[in-house]
Amino acid sequence: AQSVTQLDSQVPVFEEAPVELRCNYSSSVSVYLFWYVQYPNQGLQLLLKYLSGSTLVKGINGFEAEFNKSQTSFHLRKPSVHISDTAEYFCAAMITGGGNKLTFGTGTQLKVEL
Amino acid sequence: EAGVTQFPSHSVIEKGQTVTLRCDPISGHDNLYWYRRVMGKEIKFLLHFVKESKQDESGMPNNRFLAERTGGTYSTLKVQPAELEDSGVYFCASSQKGPSYNSPLHFGNGTRLTVT
Repeated sequence: AQSVTQLDSQVPVFEEAPVELRCNYSSSVSVYLFWYVQYPNQGLQLLLKYLSGSTLVKGINGFEAEFNKSQTSFHLRKPSVHISDTAEYFCAAMITGGGNKLTFGTGTQLKVEL
Repeated sequence: EAGVTQFPSHSVIEKGQTVTLRCDPISGHDNLYWYRRVMGKEIKFLLHFVKESKQDESGMPNNRFLAERTGGTYSTLKVQPAELEDSGVYFCASSQKGPSYNSPLHFGNGTRLTVT
């Protein structure tokens, strides 16, 4: 069984400040890892994904995430946030070679303030 | 191209009633998924269609839930009879052929179901 933990349900941050949203996963097998974003009244959009190779993954809108196997983490970062980054962010995992279903975390609400 | 469309966007029903949610995937997408988010909790997988066939329905909570995808186009998810714990946001997603780690999932805006 696999699980994804997002410990921070809400993260307030001022505009232009850096932010890190934490994600830890638990799995006895290899996983692919994803970050999705949900803007108000919209569906989820893929921000970035880690399949293999370089552990630092760059995504859309200036976000990046680093896969750390020893710490079973996949934290999402952005060096300078904008008001428009206010949204809910979901970390997700998929077992490699084990079907197509995603296991999501509970989400982190990022609120960017002026 | 049109995105994934879900209907209705909101539904409020009483316990014991029946509700049918509809999802229109992106044209040509073989894979169609249903997910559900109960308030404040994680988004959970319900099932996966490849064309009209159920590939994986391991996440369906119980036999009050029935999903169909006749003709391999749109899909419906029926809840009958609805219970209070069925309240949540139901998301549909679609992707092209092949494993979804390679083909991006396109999500609909969701249907917010409230059972009173």
